[in-house]
Amino acid sequence: ETGVTQSPTHLIKTRGQQVTLRCSSQSGHNTVSWYQQALGQGPQFIFQYYREEENGRGNFPPRFSGLQFPNYSSELNVNALELDDSALYLCASSPWTGKETQYFGPGTRLLVL
Amino acid sequence: AQKVTQAQTEISVVEKEDVTLDCVYETRDTTYYLFWYKQPPSGELVFLIRRNSFDEQNEISGRYSWNFQKSTSSFNFTITASQVVDSAVYFCALSEAPFIIQGAQKLVFGQGTRLTINP
Repeated sequence: ETGVTQSPTHLIKTRGQQVTLRCSSQSGHNTVSWYQQALGQGPQFIFQYYREEENGRGNFPPRFSGLQFPNYSSELNVNALELDDSALYLCASSPWTGKETQYFGPGTRLLVL
Repeated sequence: AQKVTQAQTEISVVEKEDVTLDCVYETRDTTYYLFWYKQPPSGELVFLIRRNSFDEQNEISGRYSWNFQKSTSSFNFTITASQVVDSAVYFCALSEAPFIIQGAQKLVFGQGTRLTINP
């Protein structure tokens, strides 16, 4: 077990709605990254947070946003959901030294109808 | 731009056979890290190994071994005497190694190889 937890495990939303996914990082890990994994694909980097500030973003629009809190928890928010947002959303935590392994949670499966 | 290619989308073998999963990467960085992760049906990505670009020594861990060849930009993964529990999707991933805080360490994943071990 990695000590990284995510909630909820599954979620169904309709197009245009907003969703918040949650992640609890491993204790002591001050960096959290979020990835989107579409069916049959490898995970794609959404963004990373370090010490509660965004520290890099992948090729995702601004309607994907995040927050990181001092208690090692974080959120991924997606506004104006589209059908293509249906995917497994993974968070990963790591301590920041620039080279540490990222440890993943079990993911949240989001279905947008 | 960084890229990881796993040309084998699916592999199916009989239990106890050896199997090698291929990974080829592209990067302009001189310092980088390579990873293998296992994804069982539950969805969680399980870390298997990390290698930095300066260390080309092969590594063995039980039935698992990894062959890193910088000259061919490959980082292949071999399972010896495969078992049914090895059935999963395996991902190879690459990250640069930022030395400044401002650089996000993002993982670039390949498409994955679905490995099925039949009893």
